[in-house]
Parts: sequence; structure tokens; C-alpha cells
Amino acid sequence: RKEVEQDPGPFNVPEGATVAFNCTYSNSASQSFFWYRQDCRKEPKLLMSVYSSGNEDGRFTAQLNRASQYISLLIRDSKLSDSATYLCVLSNFGNEKLTFGTGTRLTIIP
Amino acid sequence: NAGVTQTPKFQVLKTGQSMTLQCAQDMNHNSMYWYRQDPGMGLRLIYYSASEGTTDKGEVPNGYNVSRLNKREFSLRLESAAPSQTSVYFCASKSSSNQPQHFGDGTRLSIL
Repeated sequence: RKEVEQDPGPFNVPEGATVAFNCTYSNSASQSFFWYRQDCRKEPKLLMSVYSSGNEDGRFTAQLNRASQYISLLIRDSKLSDSATYLCVLSNFGNEKLTFGTGTRLTIIP
Repeated sequence: NAGVTQTPKFQVLKTGQSMTLQCAQDMNHNSMYWYRQDPGMGLRLIYYSASEGTTDKGEVPNGYNVSRLNKREFSLRLESAAPSQTSVYFCASKSSSNQPQHFGDGTRLSIL
């Protein structure tokens, strides 16, 4: 089983809609979780950290479910500029390496 | 507002040539990383440096060497470039465990 698994998509969503995707992880010792976005041929950029209690940043909501070992990202009122690949990232305590998922591709359709 | 700076941004090499990719960060981060990303694929870790003076292999280290020159700089060297090393190379850094990484904007390398 891969350490991090994401549905590669693509998710094609009309502008203004709400979209959500999950990421599952296999190592229960994973400590920290992040969502990154990556635009075509660009570097990954941190979108938000994911906290145990869940957190929100504008139209974006991230949640962590430790019991079922997944994190989720919800995007409300989607914009054309949200089109990107979203990477699920996690780290394990004492390990300087981060583990990256292969990403979920999202396209917002006008 | 520099963050992580990579040079060069683009490079074309012939098979067998050598090249060093440079990376510098101005955030006083302890850890630095080199990744490659091939079309339609995820990031693969080549080498990383958890702190100044240390380096460790990642997932795909063959054909590469690294140097952590000081806390700011972490270079990646291709001694004898091969077409299979055609890729986009990203450098990243982070301050400490459980913190996110910050990426440079990449070096697009083509080996002919």
C-alpha cells in the first residue's frame, strides 16, 4: 500500500460549485499534514496546513480524520484560478523528509 | 522576499556533460531538498540535507551528487548527464520537523 494515496482525477467542476477530495495515508504515526497546489510547470506552493480540529482559510477547508487515516480539502465557490493539481503531503515525527502524494488534478470550467 | 532561489532556470546539455544546479535559501532553514519531477508524475526525492554538514540519499540518488556548502546553499551535480535525467528539478527547504517545505521555481533541464 502506498504511504499516501490520492485520486488523480481529473475533477472537472463548473465555476461556483463546491468540490472536495480526500487523501488517505497508511502510517498512523504521521504527524503533520499539508495541502499544496501546483500549477502546470510551476513549483508546488503551500496552500494550507491541516490541523487536528480542522481549519478554514477563506473558501478552503481542510480536515483530518486520524481514525480513518485521511485528510480532506473542500473548496467552496470555486474560481477558474483554482484549476491546479492539489498535492497531499505529510510528515512523520523525527523524519526530515516529507511524503508527497501524486496529486489530484482539478479543472474549473467556466 | 527571495525565499528559495534556483539557478539556472533552463539548461540544455549534451549526453556526458557535467553540470551543477545551484540552490540558495534566505529563510535560515535547517533542511534542504532536491526533487525531480517528470511529466505527469509526482515529485521524487533525489537527496536531502537535514542540517548543515549532512546529506542523505532520497528515492532516486543514482547519477547525482550533492553538496551542502553552508546553511544557505545546497547544490546538485550531474557528473555525466544522461537523457534519462531530463526533468524539472526543484529545490526546497524547511525550518524544522513537522514544518512545510518551501520550493524554488525550478530548473528545467534537457539532456540531448
